[in-house]
Amino acid sequence: NAGVTQTPKFRVLKTGQSMTLLCAQDMNHEYMYWYRQDPGMGLRLIHYSVGEGTTAKGEVPDGYNVSRLKKQNFLLGLESAAPSQTSVYFCASSPWRPDYGYTFGSGTRLTVV
Amino acid sequence: GDSVTQMEGPVTLSEEAFLTINCTYTATGYPSLFWYVQYPGEGLQLLLKATKADDKGSNKGFEATYRKETTSFHLEKGSVQVSDSAVYFCALSDSYYGNNRLAFGKGNQVVVIP
Repeated sequence: NAGVTQTPKFRVLKTGQSMTLLCAQDMNHEYMYWYRQDPGMGLRLIHYSVGEGTTAKGEVPDGYNVSRLKKQNFLLGLESAAPSQTSVYFCASSPWRPDYGYTFGSGTRLTVV
Repeated sequence: GDSVTQMEGPVTLSEEAFLTINCTYTATGYPSLFWYVQYPGEGLQLLLKATKADDKGSNKGFEATYRKETTSFHLEKGSVQVSDSAVYFCALSDSYYGNNRLAFGKGNQVVVIP
């Protein structure tokens, strides 16, 4: 049982390049989330989805886009990477029940030079 | 809005010492409360949870009690090991708004010295 799988695990981008981070979950969870984690800033929500075909903005959505074409996948895109987007990105999923909590992926470490 | 406050700063202690990490919350409805742990280089893992007042969550020797009167969910462990070195996050999920988004605290780095 894989849980939440993120690819890639590491990536180095040049300023202005684009890339897509993939998150896949095999638990049939309705909700999916993208967070970034930076030193001293804790976890900040970028975008989230409450179901297939739906997305919504979180706290820090600027510079990112997302798509959820299939229930099990949630993609995070950077159209034109900037050094400020250097971070560790985590995907998480949860069922509709609020007392269940989240299952997190192992993260993608992105460096933009 | 809903929020979680964790004590400031890292926590450094010796092996077999008693660990307490404070967590207080503000919520509109009847939240569920969680502690997550993040080991170096890994994602967050659910450590324990409590879903109603006076519930005690426990796992791997860690405990936390949901105190509604003090709006707190402090994490404790009686005798820590070096392997407990990690970052610990307190979080809440409030069903009042009809979704289950988690509000996270800033996290506390715990370093256990042999």
